[in-house]
Amino acid sequence: EAGVAQSPRYKIIEKRQSVAFWCNPISGHATLYWYQQILGQGPKLLIQFQNNGVVDDSQLPKDRFSAERLKGVDSTLKIQPAKLEDSAVYLCASSLLFDSQETQYFGPGTRLLVL
Amino acid sequence: QQPVQSPQAVILREGEDAVINCSSSKALYSVHWYRQKHGEAPIFLMILLKGGEQKGHDKISASFNEKKQQSSLYLTASQLSYSGTYFCGTEMDQGSARQLTFGSGTQLTVLP
Repeated sequence: EAGVAQSPRYKIIEKRQSVAFWCNPISGHATLYWYQQILGQGPKLLIQFQNNGVVDDSQLPKDRFSAERLKGVDSTLKIQPAKLEDSAVYLCASSLLFDSQETQYFGPGTRLLVL
Repeated sequence: QQPVQSPQAVILREGEDAVINCSSSKALYSVHWYRQKHGEAPIFLMILLKGGEQKGHDKISASFNEKKQQSSLYLTASQLSYSGTYFCGTEMDQGSARQLTFGSGTQLTVLP
């Protein structure tokens, strides 16, 4: 079974530029998460999708971050414009069902450096 | 409410045991444990649910104390492959968002 795929793996941009990350969850997984992991910290949830609907985006900085999950499969996360403090690893995770007992499977992440 | 993990870091020799704790000030419904190696994705270890039993496989096990709202991860006879950062993700016992809030991690180093 293929895991969660993410691209690109690395991205370096200058502040005020825009950037987009792509995630392809495990086939059949209904729930998709985007996390931000700053160096030395645990993952912080940005947004959670159930199929193509948003369950929670309360921690997403909506003035600069946006995310979508068209057709309930792939998802993209965009930052526009980027700030220095956005430097982090952006992790995508998916789970089969919307349930506490469901394991979240993480992708390899996209490492973003904002200069 | 972010859970508090302790210790922040631990160094062991191969074959020694370790305990990692994860505490919350809020009532928890579930605790999920992950291990992350440098530059890699977090890998799932196990889930403990409120009212559930202690879990384990191989030499890694965990428990969930509902009175203390604390989970402990036990690594027995540690191997070199156990090195990495261990995160607990907690789900609050309220609402239906099914979200995890992760602690800051415990860095475990196993030396030969």
